[in-house]
Amino acid sequence: GQNIDQPTEMTATEGAIVQINCTYQTSGFNGLFWYQQHAGEAPTFLSYNVLDGLEEKGRFSSFLSRSKGYSYLLLKELQMKDSASYLCAVRDGQAGTALIFGKGTTLSVSS
Amino acid sequence: DSGVTQTPKHLITATGQRVTLRCSPRSGDLSVYWYQQSLDQGLQFLIQYYNGEERAKGNILERFSAQQFPDLHSELNLSSLELGDSALYFCASSVRGLDYGYTFGSGTRLTVV
Repeated sequence: GQNIDQPTEMTATEGAIVQINCTYQTSGFNGLFWYQQHAGEAPTFLSYNVLDGLEEKGRFSSFLSRSKGYSYLLLKELQMKDSASYLCAVRDGQAGTALIFGKGTTLSVSS
Repeated sequence: DSGVTQTPKHLITATGQRVTLRCSPRSGDLSVYWYQQSLDQGLQFLIQYYNGEERAKGNILERFSAQQFPDLHSELNLSSLELGDSALYFCASSVRGLDYGYTFGSGTRLTVV
């Protein structure tokens, strides 16, 4: 089976940097994904890691350590529009190519 | 527009009833995934189809079933509905081997009263 943990809520201010952590346990790891979801809307893809290390994409970066079962999403220069839920998901070979999601971290950005 | 189309957007029905949710994947995508999202459970994987065949099952109840048709659209059938089935149901599609995760439709909000 799979187990994915991430904090339930985080708060930050505009212009700041925030790091959202995710730990996972899975029997057949085949990639880790981060999605952003605004309330009532569909999740949208942010990043993908399959090898250890940091992937940078504009204001967003994602890090993976497979040996520790750990990932984080780093958001820089926070904007009000970044207020959303951030979902960590792993692809487990035992679930086909399906992504298994954590419960998400709700980020509130204030001015 | 993500290219994944889900209908209807909203559905209100009574307990004990049966409903069908429809999903059309992005052009060229062979895999379709169904997810249920409720406030307390997060995004739960239900079932995956690939090119018409069931590929993987998640936490799908026996009252729920799905299929993928030759034109690759998929339907999720929910029967004997209970209040607890009220949730957002998302469909997503992907191309095999493309490591971008996948693309979600805008969802169907089901309310069971």
